Amino acid sequence: DQQVKQNSPSLSVQEGRISILNCDYTNSMFDYFLWYKKYPAEGPTFLISISSIKDKNEDGRFTVFLNKSAKHLSLHIVPSQPGDSAVYFCAASAVLGNEKLTFGTGTRLTIIP
Amino acid sequence: SAVISQKPSRDICQRGTSLTIQCQVDSQVTMMFWYRQQPGQSLTLIATANQGSEATYESGFVIDKFPISRPNLTFSTLTVSNMSPEDSSIYLCSVGGFGMPQHFGDGTRLSIL
Repeated sequence: DQQVKQNSPSLSVQEGRISILNCDYTNSMFDYFLWYKKYPAEGPTFLISISSIKDKNEDGRFTVFLNKSAKHLSLHIVPSQPGDSAVYFCAASAVLGNEKLTFGTGTRLTIIP
Repeated sequence: SAVISQKPSRDICQRGTSLTIQCQVDSQVTMMFWYRQQPGQSLTLIATANQGSEATYESGFVIDKFPISRPNLTFSTLTVSNMSPEDSSIYLCSVGGFGMPQHFGDGTRLSIL
């Protein structure tokens, strides 16, 4: 039972354009949602999070949008840069920090120079 | 954020043997977790390492196969016992605390021959 889904295994975007990565979840108990970036041979790096009481959180080039009624969130990266090429994981938990993270399967983002 | 060191970074082992993976953090942390990423799949929580008591295992993971120690607030070990080729994965340590996102080490890449 995949509680967190990332339906696009890969995405290619031109440098300077907007990258939009999507994530869907099924468990209504999730209250926190996080995005991680992973380079080969490295561990996941935390990017940005959002709690269920908000619908948007912004940090520099990264913005996460949450649509709780649709159980959907998205990560926007603008403008996209070559260094953004990585695998992006969406994750969810009921409590931030103290509980397990449930991860999606990841989306490989390639930024085309 | 905390600096997390995992050892070894990679290993190739014979089936039937055991390997202990170490996770060292440069500051005291409340929560430590162990995840597994099988080839082409997402990250899955194995267990929560509890300081001074037995780890809390997720469904499908047992203490006999994945014994875990956490003697203090900065160190934990995960042992993969009686290894088979199906145990070939990346094993990742993460740390967290209430209200904080989890941060990950770079992982241990394990191959079983």
